[in-house]
Amino acid sequence: ETGVTQSPTHLIKTRGQQVTLRCSSQSGHNTVSWYQQALGQGPQFIFQYYREEENGRGNFPPRFSGLQFPNYSSELNVNALELDDSALYLCASSLGLGQSTEAFFGQGTRLTVV
Amino acid sequence: GESVGLHLPTLSVQEGDNSIINCAYSNSASDYFIWYKQESGKGPQFIIDIRSNMDKRQGQRVTVLLNKTVKHLSLQIAATQPGDSAVYFCAEKDSNYQLIWGAGTKLIIKP
Repeated sequence: ETGVTQSPTHLIKTRGQQVTLRCSSQSGHNTVSWYQQALGQGPQFIFQYYREEENGRGNFPPRFSGLQFPNYSSELNVNALELDDSALYLCASSLGLGQSTEAFFGQGTRLTVV
Repeated sequence: GESVGLHLPTLSVQEGDNSIINCAYSNSASDYFIWYKQESGKGPQFIIDIRSNMDKRQGQRVTVLLNKTVKHLSLQIAATQPGDSAVYFCAEKDSNYQLIWGAGTKLIIKP
């Protein structure tokens, strides 16, 4: 177990709806990254939060937004859901931003948009 | 653009044999690489990493080799066990310390 927990584990939403996914980082970790993993593909970087501020963003539209709280837990919000948003959403926490800093992943939230 | 990719989508190996999973990267400036293992229904799990100033690094039953000349990375798993069945990803950290992932190789262990 990595100590990173995500909720919910599974979720079904209708196209056009909004969704909030949650991530509780490992104790002491101040950095959280979010990834989208489509079936059969590698994870794609969405964005990263370091000490409550966004610190880098991948090629995702503005309807993907996030938040990091003072306890370093994080939320990923997706508005106006599209069918292609169906994927496994992964959260990873780490201590700091160093190049060789190890990231610990949660088990993911499986989002299905119908 | 920059990318990290894998040569084979699926690899079948006899239990007890050694496995070799390959990965190619395109950014010659990359200097940190990681191998992850992802079992069904779970998040990726760190296996081993290597910096560009090294060409080989060994862990428990795993070895990562880096060939910067041809921009190639490989993961060797010794004495493959049923528990090694998973999808294996190579990833690099870009200049912003963000992970760029390949598509993955599914390792199947034959009894």
